Amino acid sequence: QKEVEQNSGPLSVPEGAIASLNCTYSDRGSQSFFWYRQYSGKSPELIMSIYSNGDKEDGRFTAQLNKASQYVSLLIRDSQPSDSATYLCAVNINLNDKIIFGKGTRLHILP
Amino acid sequence: ETGVTQSPTHLIKTRGQQVTLRCSSQSGHNTVSWYQQALGQGPQFIFQYYREEENGRGNFPPRFSGLQFPNYSSELNVNALELDDSALYLCASSLATQGSGYTFGSGTRLTVV
Repeated sequence: QKEVEQNSGPLSVPEGAIASLNCTYSDRGSQSFFWYRQYSGKSPELIMSIYSNGDKEDGRFTAQLNKASQYVSLLIRDSQPSDSATYLCAVNINLNDKIIFGKGTRLHILP
Repeated sequence: ETGVTQSPTHLIKTRGQQVTLRCSSQSGHNTVSWYQQALGQGPQFIFQYYREEENGRGNFPPRFSGLQFPNYSSELNVNALELDDSALYLCASSLATQGSGYTFGSGTRLTVV
């Protein structure tokens, strides 16, 4: 059974601090990795994708991938109240295959 | 460039009824995937369509069925609705073989009473 695991939270972080979200996956052959943000009552929105080991930065967001440890993380710097949402980790094993989602981590930024 | 559109946005059905949900994919995308998201859970994969053929199916019973049309739009049909089918149904489009992630529609909130 291919799985993506996340801590459901809630994760509470003071405004301006760094939020760190973590995810592990079971299939070692996974090729593509994504972070989606989902506000309550809305659909998921892709915020980061990463395909190779290391860090990828985009504005306040940094995705980190360690394939040997089967571990993906998302760092949000200078957290803002508008970052409060559920963050979904997702994994794609083959390029034309389905994407499997974790259950999501609820992030709450404290003003 | 148009995004992914889903209809209807909300729907209330009675247990045992049938429902059809619709999705128009983003321009240029040839693959449509359907997901069910129960409250507090992550999206669960139902099935994916590529060039009008089913290209993978999740752990859902046969009463969940789908279609993809030549213009790449898609339908999700659910027969014999059960209370547990109440969820947000998400359609996502993508370009096959690109592995660049999905663009989701706004979803259809289905309530079965």
